[in-house]
Amino acid sequence: NAGVTQTPKFRILKIGQSMTLQCTQDMNHNYMYWYRQDPGMGLKLIYYSVGAGITDKGEVPNGYNVSRSTTEDFPLRLELAAPSQTSVYFCASSRREKLFFGSGTQLSVL
Amino acid sequence: QQPVQSPQAVILREGEDAVINCSSSKALYSVHWYRQKHGEAPVFLMILLKGGEQKGHDKISASFNEKKQQSSLYLTASQLSYSGTYFCGTEGNTGNQFYFGTGTSLTVIP
Repeated sequence: NAGVTQTPKFRILKIGQSMTLQCTQDMNHNYMYWYRQDPGMGLKLIYYSVGAGITDKGEVPNGYNVSRSTTEDFPLRLELAAPSQTSVYFCASSRREKLFFGSGTQLSVL
Repeated sequence: QQPVQSPQAVILREGEDAVINCSSSKALYSVHWYRQKHGEAPVFLMILLKGGEQKGHDKISASFNEKKQQSSLYLTASQLSYSGTYFCGTEGNTGNQFYFGTGTSLTVIP
């Protein structure tokens, strides 16, 4: 099994550009999460989903959007990228008792 | 919502012991512990589901005091491989969100 797959691994954006971070899991997990981690800091919850068609905001949702059309996919959309969105983004999935993480996307907005 | 961890950082020599604490201002229904190596995604260590529960994983164990809304992670006879950042994690009020603590950086030196 691949587990949780995130793409791309690295990306540089210019201020004002948009992009989508992809996340796919093959474990049939209902719960999926997006976190951002700034250098030397902890993980902040951006958005989460408890199943296809259901999403909700976490601690730091401003500037981001998500969708969950299938159980497997949970893309994160950045509209009008800003330097404050420079971070490492992790997607995770779970069946409640253990989170499995993707390898992360390092995003720089210049 | 974010649990608070202490200490923020600790440096140990091989063979020494350490304790990392995690506390929440809100009721804790379960506590997870994760370790993150530099440049990698967090990896699940263990979960404690009820007050008074204690678990062990190699020479790493944890306890959960539901009444005090606290959990502690115990690292015994530390090894170089224990170096990393340790995060506790807990569910939000609805049980659907998942929040991580502020993190504790652990460095084991020879």
